[in-house]
Amino acid sequence: DVKVTQSSRYLVKRTGEKVFLECVQDMDHENMFWYRQDPGLGLRLIYFSYDVKMKEKGDIPEGYSVSREKKERFSLILESASTNQTSMYLCASSPPGIPKDYGYTFGSGTRLTVV
Amino acid sequence: AQKVTQAQTEISVVEKEDVTLDCVYETRDTTYYLFWYKQPPSGELVFLIRRNSFDEQNEISGRYSWNFQKSTSSFNFTITASQVVDSAVYFCALSGDTGTASKLTFGTGTRLQVTL
Repeated sequence: DVKVTQSSRYLVKRTGEKVFLECVQDMDHENMFWYRQDPGLGLRLIYFSYDVKMKEKGDIPEGYSVSREKKERFSLILESASTNQTSMYLCASSPPGIPKDYGYTFGSGTRLTVV
Repeated sequence: AQKVTQAQTEISVVEKEDVTLDCVYETRDTTYYLFWYKQPPSGELVFLIRRNSFDEQNEISGRYSWNFQKSTSSFNFTITASQVVDSAVYFCALSGDTGTASKLTFGTGTRLQVTL
């Protein structure tokens, strides 16, 4: 069964900490995405990557960075966590080009709380 | 820019009622793709359907049906005879046909609560 795995389901971090959210996919997909989900705002794209070492900013990249050293792994980095980054973070992957029938494959999400 | 609007924030129905979730989209692409995803309490988004912009045929899958109308830029989702297991947040999403990565633009979601 194909999967996108996010390393943590729940995470609590302190303000100012550097936080790493990890995402691994086993489908050999070129594209990977990080979204955050907030009530009333839906899913908003933070960053995406269409190849190893390639990255592009999404709609809300401020306060975040990403790393993609290997095709299967896409990391989201909060350089200095703040309370307004408390959110659900969703990772997704897809093959390149025209969306396949299923669109993206999503991970289960990481609920991050910054205190 | 692409935009997806789900005006209904939350809907509550009693089991066996029919319910329609609205989705209105904006795009300048001539070819585009529309999706519906379900997010149950477990959190993982589950794919329900994809519709191409050049295929306006409506679709039915069991209790689920989708009405795609290009003239009104809408892609509405109807659940017939709703069940408690349908309780979830439902997202409508839109993707264009350009660039190396096809980004999905999501609506804000509609929370559906089905009670006994």
